[in-house]
Amino acid sequence: AQSVAQPEDQVNVAEGNPLTVKCTYSVSGNPYLFWYVQYPNRGLQFLLKYITGDNLVKGSYGFEAEFNKSQTSFHLKKPSALVSDSALYFCAVSHYILTGGGNKLTFGTGTQLKVEL
Amino acid sequence: NAGVTQTPKFQVLKTGQSMTLQCAQDMNHNSMYWYRQDPGMGLRLIYYSASEGTTDKGEVPNGYNVSRLNKREFSLRLESAAPSQTSVYFCASSDQAGNSGANVLTFGAGSRLTVL
Repeated sequence: AQSVAQPEDQVNVAEGNPLTVKCTYSVSGNPYLFWYVQYPNRGLQFLLKYITGDNLVKGSYGFEAEFNKSQTSFHLKKPSALVSDSALYFCAVSHYILTGGGNKLTFGTGTQLKVEL
Repeated sequence: NAGVTQTPKFQVLKTGQSMTLQCAQDMNHNSMYWYRQDPGMGLRLIYYSASEGTTDKGEVPNGYNVSRLNKREFSLRLESAAPSQTSVYFCASSDQAGNSGANVLTFGAGSRLTVL
């Protein structure tokens, strides 16, 4: 069965510093990996995804993620954090539904990012 | 463009009561999903509908039923609510274009349910 792990419940970063939110995955076959962000009292918003190709994926709001097949990791990064980046971040792996289409996502437990002045 | 709309946003139930969470999307997406979010557990899939006319169980289907009313609407019903079903519920939808394993899910704002 596929799964993702987010080892850190919370990450604290000073504004202007680089940030990393960690994610490791376990899948059979080639992975489709996603990052979503959730602001307080809101639904999840898509940030970026890895399908194939370049290991460095660029997404919304200046975020990027590095896919590492040998370490089975897909860490989320940003060169310079903003206070407004404070939110709950979820890593997810996709499971392709063979009959009829659709895309089931398995989510990690989430990492709370806190960016302080 | 409304995207995915869920109603109600908040609901308090007593144990044993029933209720239906409504979800509608206006993006002409084929697939729809219901997730629940609990602290420390991330999001877990309850049921999904890969296309109109089909529904399937997800990871945590017990105590729930769903109806794909048409292409736009996908409802989640709790027949006899239990305190363990206190959670935040999210509806999502996705297109079915090309390799569906890479399709992005669009989420609603959530429905917060408390069962006393």
